[in-house]
Amino acid sequence: QQQVKQSPQSLIVQKGGISIINCAYENTAFDYFPWYQQFPGKGPALLIAIRPDVSEKKEGRFTISFNKSAKQFSLHIMDSQPGDSATYFCAARVQGGSEKLVFGKGTKLTVNP
Amino acid sequence: EAGVTQSPTHLIKTRGQQVTLRCSPISGHTSVYWYQQALGLGLQFLLWYDEGEERNRGNFPPRFSGRQFPNYSSELNVNALELEDSALYLCASSPGTGWDGYTFGSGTRLTVV
Repeated sequence: QQQVKQSPQSLIVQKGGISIINCAYENTAFDYFPWYQQFPGKGPALLIAIRPDVSEKKEGRFTISFNKSAKQFSLHIMDSQPGDSATYFCAARVQGGSEKLVFGKGTKLTVNP
Repeated sequence: EAGVTQSPTHLIKTRGQQVTLRCSPISGHTSVYWYQQALGLGLQFLLWYDEGEERNRGNFPPRFSGRQFPNYSSELNVNALELEDSALYLCASSPGTGWDGYTFGSGTRLTVV
């Protein structure tokens, strides 16, 4: 089944704290796992992405951890800032050239000053 | 570089009417994707066009259709609108090769009354 389960639905973090969002999937026919950030009134913007042959990828304050055997991946936001307040979506690309992304339902992150 | 542009930004239609949404991809991108973002449902894949052809279709009824023009811009048509079609419709584009995620537009907010 092509499904990505994302948790939590909402998250409140203090400025400077670590935000952690988790995703899990069942279909092993995914070959690319991006995270998108969406601000109100805007379309989602690609934040960071990972392929299944890599266990971790870091870009600035954002890190993806990928556990292939557990079929789980997570986004860590270090030193969270109020400007990070947004909705975050994990996604997985169906392999085989379909170019289709299956999205989680999103996590609304609020970073308090 | 101009991003993905969508028009109109907002639209109100009556149940049973038809609507056409438009999308211009990033210059040089040949693939266009359409997603529906309904409240609480995350992003649902609608359609993928590449080089003028429909390449993949999501689990939506036939009243959702579209096309891609020779300049790679695209239209999404929805016939016989229903109240549950109210959503943000997002268009994204990507290069034809070297796929590394989509770039989304800001979307068209469709309200069906």
